Amino acid sequence: EDQVTQSPEALRLQEGESSSLNCSYTVSGLRGLFWYRQDPGKGPEFLFTLYSAGEEKEKERLKATLTKKESFLHITAPKPEDSATYLCAVQARADKLIFGTGTRLQVFP
Amino acid sequence: ETGVTQTPRHLVMGMTNKKSLKCEQHLGHNAMYWYKQSAKKPLELMFVYSLEERVENNSVPSRFSPECPNSSHLFLHLHTLQPEDSALYLCASSQWRGDEQFFGPGTRLTVL
Repeated sequence: EDQVTQSPEALRLQEGESSSLNCSYTVSGLRGLFWYRQDPGKGPEFLFTLYSAGEEKEKERLKATLTKKESFLHITAPKPEDSATYLCAVQARADKLIFGTGTRLQVFP
Repeated sequence: ETGVTQTPRHLVMGMTNKKSLKCEQHLGHNAMYWYKQSAKKPLELMFVYSLEERVENNSVPSRFSPECPNSSHLFLHLHTLQPEDSALYLCASSQWRGDEQFFGPGTRLTVL
């Protein structure tokens, strides 16, 4: 069965304290992996798409990487405005998007 | 207006009411989606439309009825809902089915 697991469920960081979020997946025929950011009361905001193992993408303080079993979202020197829930989704058969439950990140000044 | 818009942003309805959620995308996309987001659960895909044709219906109860009159508009008609249907309903669109999806702000639905 296709499955996406994100860890940790919640993460508290001090401003400037770098860390990584994990997205593990089990899917037959991965067609793409997506990262989204969601602020409270808002819809998810698209961040990255990764298609193949070894691929990396960067945007400001965020870098996403992909292996055959998992993806990491690295946050370098985070700021309070990076506080949000980060969602991972994998695209499997017939283009169906399967979401994880997210990691809730809080960055304190 | 830019991106994906949804109205209303908040909706409270009784179990016997009939209401509709509206979604409009201003991105020139060809695929549109309805998702349900409940606390502590992953986003659940409800319906997918590609070029105005429904291509997926994930075992959603018939009290939810989608409508896609054109590639820019998507509706979700609601009737005789249950309290467990209370959730955030998100609309999304993508250039083609399978591409990255762009989401609207959602409608927070409460069923009394």
